[in-house]
Amino acid sequence: GEDVEQSLFLSVREGDSSVINCTYTDSSSTYLYWYKQEPGAGLQLLTYIFSNMDMKQDQRLTVLLNKKDKHLSLRIADTQTGDSAIYFCADSDSNYQLIWGAGTKLIIKP
Amino acid sequence: DAGVTQSPTHLIKTRGQHVTLRCSPISGHKSVSWYQQVLGQGPQFIFQYYEKEERGRGNFPDRFSARQFPNYSSELNVNALLLGDSALYLCASSLIGNEQFFGPGTRLTVL
Repeated sequence: GEDVEQSLFLSVREGDSSVINCTYTDSSSTYLYWYKQEPGAGLQLLTYIFSNMDMKQDQRLTVLLNKKDKHLSLRIADTQTGDSAIYFCADSDSNYQLIWGAGTKLIIKP
Repeated sequence: DAGVTQSPTHLIKTRGQHVTLRCSPISGHKSVSWYQQVLGQGPQFIFQYYEKEERGRGNFPDRFSARQFPNYSSELNVNALLLGDSALYLCASSLIGNEQFFGPGTRLTVL
């Protein structure tokens, strides 16, 4: 079946940029998503990108998509302690059924 | 506007029992999806409904079933509970399926 992979942890210093990476296998992906999950909370949709785009910017967030390499990244500028969370990458097929990575835990060092 | 609501928040059941989880989507949203999230993992797709019709089903046994009502709310039913069914069950709503907004989830513990 289709698969989405992410590294499990990322540690950055407060104020630096964080870059979270994701690879996927589905060649028919229509949308790719980034969600944020804080401890004990549900999933918050951060941003998403249509598969025919290569970049999307939304305030501190920049999404880059390399469709040829099936690689998606999320850059968070000026990372703050409130950005500590688990970040999930997900891709959807034409029926909008999401396939998820295992999540990357973002750790902020003071 | 109210977000996606789910009930109950927490539930404890014993093996072999049956459970019903409920979800109310954002007003105006016609699609509801259900996901299972085991601790430490990403969510797994269970079902998707759009306009009261099942649009997709993930790789879950027939013990799992769902339905969507005329008001677009949805129920997820799990029969013959197993210990491995212990998880956070998440409901997501969307207009047509692309932007999915999640509820807080129902934490199911099977003893």
